[in-house]
Amino acid sequence: QITLKESGPTLVKPTQTVTLTCTFSGLSLSTSGVGVGWIRQPPRKALEWLALIYWNDDKRYSPSLKSRLTITKDTSKNQVVLTMTNMDPVDTATFYCVHRRYWPPYSFDYWGQGTLVTVSS
Amino acid sequence: QSVLTQPPSVSAAPGQKVTISCSGSSSNIGNNYVSWYQQLPGTAPKLLIYDNNKRPSGIPDRFSGSKSGTSATLGITGLQTGDEADYYCGTWDSSLSDVVFGGGTKLTVL
Repeated sequence: QITLKESGPTLVKPTQTVTLTCTFSGLSLSTSGVGVGWIRQPPRKALEWLALIYWNDDKRYSPSLKSRLTITKDTSKNQVVLTMTNMDPVDTATFYCVHRRYWPPYSFDYWGQGTLVTVSS
Repeated sequence: QSVLTQPPSVSAAPGQKVTISCSGSSSNIGNNYVSWYQQLPGTAPKLLIYDNNKRPSGIPDRFSGSKSGTSATLGITGLQTGDEADYYCGTWDSSLSDVVFGGGTKLTVL
């Protein structure tokens, strides 16, 4: 059974950097083909993909946010960390950790429960 | 403004059938597989359909997906009140080098 769980601050100030951690079980980032990433959803708005990291340390970023994002993995801890710099109130969103395979199918087949990050002074 | 276009809302009576459309272009739907996600109120999205028309284990066959050209469609038959949710389509956009989603469709079962 694959589970993912997000953790991190619920409130950050504008211009700050937010660090979110995804802790997962039932899969390993030392296994060929495994990928873990992040998708966000502002309140009452659509989904937006942010980043992915694969077992081979291949990293992919949304082009529109690439300059602000860094994704890393700690295989021994079964964790993936996302940092997002220069936070703005428009970045207020629920951030979901997701699983996706390196090879087809390319869908996001497992999701965490999400963590709401509010950006406000 | 989402890259993929979905109707904001659809509705139908219990037991009826509904379809949700997802319109894109040759750089996304036209040349890549489409997935559909169901988001029940207050919960995380769940994978409903992958590779245009395949259902993950545990998804009932009341849910179906299809694709034609640059559009995809989600079909739900035998509607139940528990199907009330937001539905999102998603795929890869080869021109943007980005995962793209539709704006979401709110399904109301009257």
